[in-house]
Amino acid sequence: DAKTTQPPSMDCAEGRAANLPCNHSTISGNEYVYWYRQIHSQGPQYIIHGLKNNETNEMASLIITEDRKSSTLILPHATLRDTAVYYCIVRSTSNTGKLIFGQGTTLQVKP
Amino acid sequence: GAGVSQTPSNKVTEKGKYVELRCDPISGHTALYWYRQSLGQGPEFLIYFQGTGAADDSGLPNDRFFAVRPEGSVSTLKIQRTERGDSAVYLCASRLAGGGNTDTQYFGPGTRLTVL
Repeated sequence: DAKTTQPPSMDCAEGRAANLPCNHSTISGNEYVYWYRQIHSQGPQYIIHGLKNNETNEMASLIITEDRKSSTLILPHATLRDTAVYYCIVRSTSNTGKLIFGQGTTLQVKP
Repeated sequence: GAGVSQTPSNKVTEKGKYVELRCDPISGHTALYWYRQSLGQGPEFLIYFQGTGAADDSGLPNDRFFAVRPEGSVSTLKIQRTERGDSAVYLCASRLAGGGNTDTQYFGPGTRLTVL
């Protein structure tokens, strides 16, 4: 599975949009982009995933560039409860479904 | 409905002891995964079960680690002769089906293992 690169940390003001970038320049055609987050002392929580089209759900939006080499997770109105480590993961549908986590981005939402 | 549960939530043991960590997946989920998370790191894959069989155990660090899922539901991760370096949070996750489909993997809260 392709490797991802994320900034180690980001801050966001409460109520503002949080835009978390991820680079996955070696992504291949059958690999999906997944985002999970982990709030302190909890297990990772699924947020969203996509292949090449932009995706939106009740939690977030996922914007994938046309060349698929990078993506951005958008939390439209960040709250204090969104403070967490956010992981961008690239996963092939041809493997066992295991997730390869990197270091993630620690998002701190500030009042 | 009930999510993935793990017991115990915390386990403290002494170096050299044997421990068992339990995972109850979401009912009906055929795929089950174990991960290990050291402080400040992302989770690291250990083993994947499809039904009762271990389909991928490539992440187990050595032969002191073993996992079973005898009836295709509950799984137990077993660690023999524990070492201080085994101290970590052990996470379990389950999916409805296995293999390469894109359905969501749901994680439990983890078991924090401390080896003194």
